[in-house]
Amino acid sequence: DAGITQSPRHKVTETGTPVTLRCHQTENHRYMYWYRQDPGHGLRLIHYSYGVKDTDKGEVSDGYSVSRSKTEDFLLTLESATSSQTSVYFCAIEGSGSRQYFGPGTRLTVT
Amino acid sequence: GNSVTQMEGPVTLSEEAFLTINCTYTATGYPSLFWYVQYPGEGLQLLLKATKADDKGSNKGFEATYRKETTSFHLEKGSVQVSDSAVYFCALVSNAGGTSYGKLTFGQGTILTVHP
Repeated sequence: DAGITQSPRHKVTETGTPVTLRCHQTENHRYMYWYRQDPGHGLRLIHYSYGVKDTDKGEVSDGYSVSRSKTEDFLLTLESATSSQTSVYFCAIEGSGSRQYFGPGTRLTVT
Repeated sequence: GNSVTQMEGPVTLSEEAFLTINCTYTATGYPSLFWYVQYPGEGLQLLLKATKADDKGSNKGFEATYRKETTSFHLEKGSVQVSDSAVYFCALVSNAGGTSYGKLTFGQGTILTVHP
């Protein structure tokens, strides 16, 4: 295992509420990624980070923001959750040779 | 832009059958190609990779060959087991432009179920 944890693992929230998902790594890797997984779409990149305070948008970034104040933590925030953001969210870190290691995922349901 | 297309699933096989999951891609530059596997309730794990044309990645009896001429990276296994039941994702990363990190582009995933 690459030492990645995600919290919470499951969350149910109401439309319009803010939600923050946390990804924590113990490997001191520079690059970190947030993906969402939906049936028929595989995984799609939301945001990524290439260092402390250095982040950029991915393919499906609308409605999401991220922050990285420490190397080990990468936070994903839904400012005002919508039902279309019901998904499974995966964090990943990048090792050598572009290999990515994935966390166990967070299942988010927006009602 | 980059894209990955996998064969439609789900795929259902009997134990010891031969497996092929097709994957084709479109990419700029010279991509690296990956197969990831996701077991029920878990995150993705790297299964194998290939970084240049004609490379063959292999792991746990699975193989895939990087075919630049056909832009393909088909996954094969000669004899599947029940424990191979999972979702398989083909993916690529293209470092065109000289970036030193890779943003993965995934296919939609193929569900494999193997029956005893």
